[in-house]
Amino acid sequence: GAVVSQHPSRVICKSGTSVKIECRSLDFQATTMFWYRQFPKQSLMLMATSNEGSKATYEQGVEKDKFLINHASLTLSTLTVTSAHPEDSSFYICSASSGLAYNEQFFGPGTRLTVL
Amino acid sequence: QQQVKQSPQSLIVQKGGISIINCAYENTAFDYFPWYQQFPGKGPALLIAIRPDVSEKKEGRFTISFNKSAKQFSLHIMDSQPGDSATYFCAASMASYDKVIFGPGTSLSVIP
Repeated sequence: GAVVSQHPSRVICKSGTSVKIECRSLDFQATTMFWYRQFPKQSLMLMATSNEGSKATYEQGVEKDKFLINHASLTLSTLTVTSAHPEDSSFYICSASSGLAYNEQFFGPGTRLTVL
Repeated sequence: QQQVKQSPQSLIVQKGGISIINCAYENTAFDYFPWYQQFPGKGPALLIAIRPDVSEKKEGRFTISFNKSAKQFSLHIMDSQPGDSATYFCAASMASYDKVIFGPGTSLSVIP
């Protein structure tokens, strides 16, 4: 149980285009989903927290107009990187929490974004 | 106060040896301490977690030791295997706070 999927696993896009990444909780309802960014050999940096049906809460320094987050249902959250640039190239990871057991988060497999 | 410190940054252990990774925190409101294992190109996976009401938790070859007074906790991997080679992150969170704060990570290499 507690499986989180992400799609796509890899995406390559041209500079200036927008990219959407989906995060799904497959076997539980996720009251809260989190989006992280991870650069090579670094830790996970929390970008934003989203609760179903409400606006996402962004961490300091994260541009909400550039990283659009939608948490439309209890099993789906999307991250859209708008007008992507090469510096947005990174590993994006989502996690989901059911809110039942402390803050145990279940992580997706990640999406490797490369912006040319 | 929200930071979680972790050491060492990298660790090389021979097969069959014990791998030890240490973490420390400042915020005494933290009450949940998970460890995550991450392989290259994959998302982190929860390995083992502990709450401050116990001093030790063991699951198979993995043991967390927790010292509440020192605000430190550590992961011990017994009989380390090459398949354990990965990056390990300690983390901390509070029941009333939905964020998990990650340590900077330890890259473990288990050599034959």
